[in-house]
Amino acid sequence: KAGVTQTPRYLIKTRGQQVTLSCSPISGHRSVSWYQQTPGQGLQFLFEYFSETQRNKGNFPGRFSGRQFSNSRSEMNVSTLELGDSALYLCASRPLEGNSPLHFGNGTRLTVT
Amino acid sequence: GNSVTQMEGPVTLSEEAFLTINCTYTATGYPSLFWYVQYPGEGLQLLLKATKADDKGSNKGFEATYRKETTSFHLEKGSVQVSDSAVYFCALTPYNQGGKLIFGQGTELSVKP
Repeated sequence: KAGVTQTPRYLIKTRGQQVTLSCSPISGHRSVSWYQQTPGQGLQFLFEYFSETQRNKGNFPGRFSGRQFSNSRSEMNVSTLELGDSALYLCASRPLEGNSPLHFGNGTRLTVT
Repeated sequence: GNSVTQMEGPVTLSEEAFLTINCTYTATGYPSLFWYVQYPGEGLQLLLKATKADDKGSNKGFEATYRKETTSFHLEKGSVQVSDSAVYFCALTPYNQGGKLIFGQGTELSVKP
């Protein structure tokens, strides 16, 4: 079974631009979560989607948004990029059965200049 | 609120040494507890999990026991290998919020031959 796939692997953007990151979950997994990883703040939860609906949201500004499609694929968007948005963005999926754990992709490394 | 605290790194050990990485948590209700591992340039891999008090998670020689009385979930391995060098994250999922992981700050482990 293929793992969680995130594209692109690397991105370089300029401050003020916007960016869209993509995530394809493991086949059969219906829940997708997004995380931001930085050296200073560590791993922080952004949001979770299930059945195209946001189920849970972390403490990030409204510039960070996401969506999920009917095939469970997900995208996250960051508008008006700031230097502090430079991070590794990780996507994770799970079947949404009981206490099933999250399975992570290898991430998208975003650099804002 | 919910939080996870783990021992600071880096931890440097010789091959075949005993490993302990301490992890304590604060949570309301009954969280599930996890250890994830991150190798350079990769995403997070689930190492082990425990979903209720006194559960012991184990995988690849690593073990951790969910101790509700001490709110701890310490990671142990009897004999580490060079290939265990990585960053280890302790995490919890609040009750009924399976897509939301709250992480500790991570502990970098370096194993020397």
